[in-house]
Amino acid sequence: QKEVEQDPGPLSVPEGAIVSLNCTYSNSAFQYFMWYRQYSRKGPELLMYTYSSGNKEDGRFTAQVDKSSKYISLFIRDSQPSDSATYLCAIFSGAGSYQLTFGKGTKLSVIP
Amino acid sequence: DTAVSQTPKYLVTQMGNDKSIKCEQNLGHDTMYWYKQDSKKFLKIMFSYNNKELIINETVPNRFSPKSPDKAHLNLHINSLELGDSAVYFCASSQDRRGHGFFGQGTRLTVV
Repeated sequence: QKEVEQDPGPLSVPEGAIVSLNCTYSNSAFQYFMWYRQYSRKGPELLMYTYSSGNKEDGRFTAQVDKSSKYISLFIRDSQPSDSATYLCAIFSGAGSYQLTFGKGTKLSVIP
Repeated sequence: DTAVSQTPKYLVTQMGNDKSIKCEQNLGHDTMYWYKQDSKKFLKIMFSYNNKELIINETVPNRFSPKSPDKAHLNLHINSLELGDSAVYFCASSQDRRGHGFFGQGTRLTVV
């Protein structure tokens, strides 16, 4: 089983829809959870970062972590065409290992 | 003012050649990374340096050698390039070792 699993999509939604992006992970030692956005031919850009179970909001974005289920989500409200990108979840152990493990990314298209 | 800058942005070279990619960050961060993103967009860490000290050295061929002349620079030298080395290489930096940092724009390496 891969350490971080993420459905690659592609996911296509109409403008204004609520988008749900998800990752599962296998290592319970993982402590820090991140979401990156990557536009085509650009570097990943950090969107959200959290280290505890529960929700964290930032504008139209909400990151959710459920450590008991080893499940993380990113919700995008009122999605815009400018949100069209690949979204990567990334998880960091912090237990003596300084390795950031990425999911494969979900490609999102928001159709006007 | 670019936070993490890589040069060159594109690199096309023949098999067997030796090439270098340079990375500089002006954020004052302590930790820098090299990642490889393959054709399926999977992002995988290669190396990490903290204050010029190597802290992560993932299983990559020893043809790849990182060099950190100072805290703000982390270069990647690749010997005897192979077709399979074709990918996008990203440099990143973070304030601490938790990996949630800033990425450069990437260097698209094509080996022919």
